Amino acid sequence: KAGVTQTPRYLIKTRGQQVTLSCSPISGHRSVSWYQQTPGQGLQFLFEYFSETQRNKGNFPGRFSGRQFSNSRSEMNVSTLELGDSALYLCASSPSPQGSYEQYFGPGTRLTVT
Amino acid sequence: AQSVTQPDIHITVSEGASLELRCNYSYGATPYLFWYVQSPGQGLQLLLKYFSGDTLVQGIKGFEAEFKRSQSSFNLRKPSVHWSDAAEYFCAVGATGGGNKLTFGTGTQLKVEL
Repeated sequence: KAGVTQTPRYLIKTRGQQVTLSCSPISGHRSVSWYQQTPGQGLQFLFEYFSETQRNKGNFPGRFSGRQFSNSRSEMNVSTLELGDSALYLCASSPSPQGSYEQYFGPGTRLTVT
Repeated sequence: AQSVTQPDIHITVSEGASLELRCNYSYGATPYLFWYVQSPGQGLQLLLKYFSGDTLVQGIKGFEAEFKRSQSSFNLRKPSVHWSDAAEYFCAVGATGGGNKLTFGTGTQLKVEL
């Protein structure tokens, strides 16, 4: 089975722009979660989607948004980029939203904001 | 709200020596507990997890962890470290009923001396 894929792997954007990151979960997995990883704040939960519905949301400003499609693929969008948004964005998929199932992480998208 | 503390930011061990990485959590009920490993430029790989039952859990790559409710700890151990174990290790807690949202510790960077 193919693992979680994230595209693009690397991205450079300018302050004020917006960006869309994509995540394709493992086949059959319907839950997708997003995390931001920075040296200063570590790994922080952004949001979780299951069956196209946002189930959980972390403590991030409204500039961070996401969605999930009927095939379980997910995108996250960051508008009006700030320098502090530079981070590794990780996506994880799971067959269930129950929390007791293993989550599989993708390799991440490295976003650099200049 | 749940939280995770990994008191050791960096640990250096000699190859062949034993390893213990510490993790303390804060959560009102029995949590879901996880250990993940991250190699440079990579996503997170699950080493092991604890949901209930036997408090000593075995994982991949020869790792094990012990859940101690009285100490709110979930320390990761390996009897003999290999050079390839050099990586960053993250302890995480998930809330029962909280979906797939994970709260991560700040990580422990493991260096292995040959």
